[in-house]
Amino acid sequence: KQEVTQIPAALSVPEGENLVLNCSFTDSAIYNLQWFRQDPGKGLTSLLLIQSSQREQTSGRLNASLDKSSGRSTLYIAASQPGDSATYLCAVRMTAMEYGNKLVFGAGTILRVKS
Amino acid sequence: GAVVSQHPSWVICKSGTSVKIECRSLDFQATTMFWYRQFPKQSLMLMATSNEGSKATYEQGVEKDKFLINHASLTLSTLTVTSAHPEDSSFYICSARETWTSGSIPYEQYFGPGTRLTVT
Repeated sequence: KQEVTQIPAALSVPEGENLVLNCSFTDSAIYNLQWFRQDPGKGLTSLLLIQSSQREQTSGRLNASLDKSSGRSTLYIAASQPGDSATYLCAVRMTAMEYGNKLVFGAGTILRVKS
Repeated sequence: GAVVSQHPSWVICKSGTSVKIECRSLDFQATTMFWYRQFPKQSLMLMATSNEGSKATYEQGVEKDKFLINHASLTLSTLTVTSAHPEDSSFYICSARETWTSGSIPYEQYFGPGTRLTVT
């Protein structure tokens, strides 16, 4: 059974800092990995999607890396801003037929950027 | 971009009543829709997968007679919580997968804004 773990569970940083969020998964048979942002009481916003054959994806101040063999991904946020405060979720899409290509989510990292 | 809406955004109902939540794909056709439940400070847990025109597939531990899912069209799926109890209070999020075309990313899902259900 695939398990996705995110570390740290919560993070508080001053504005302007660069930070790294970590995601690990137990089963490397993934189709892709996706990072989402969730604001309190809201749905999910997709940030970055990395296919299993890719090593990283970048969008603005965000950079996500994937090391499938070791079961790890990191989300790097440069020059953090108060508006980045949210919960960040990591999810992997499985390839195995028994998983039905489902997304398996981590518990998330709650980020607070202080002004 | 692809947009998924949910209605209502929040609902309060009395214990024992039923409540229906709608999920719509606004600008694309969704062969497959997913329903998730999220408890406070926890991650999303998949409840069921529905394919248009067929019965939903429920995850282990999810009561199909309590959580009725209908996916009657390519743009609408509904989740009905029957005989709701306080323990059903949660944040319900739907997600839609676009019918795959040559220009889309396979299996990409788009998420709705969620519905907060409170059962008193």
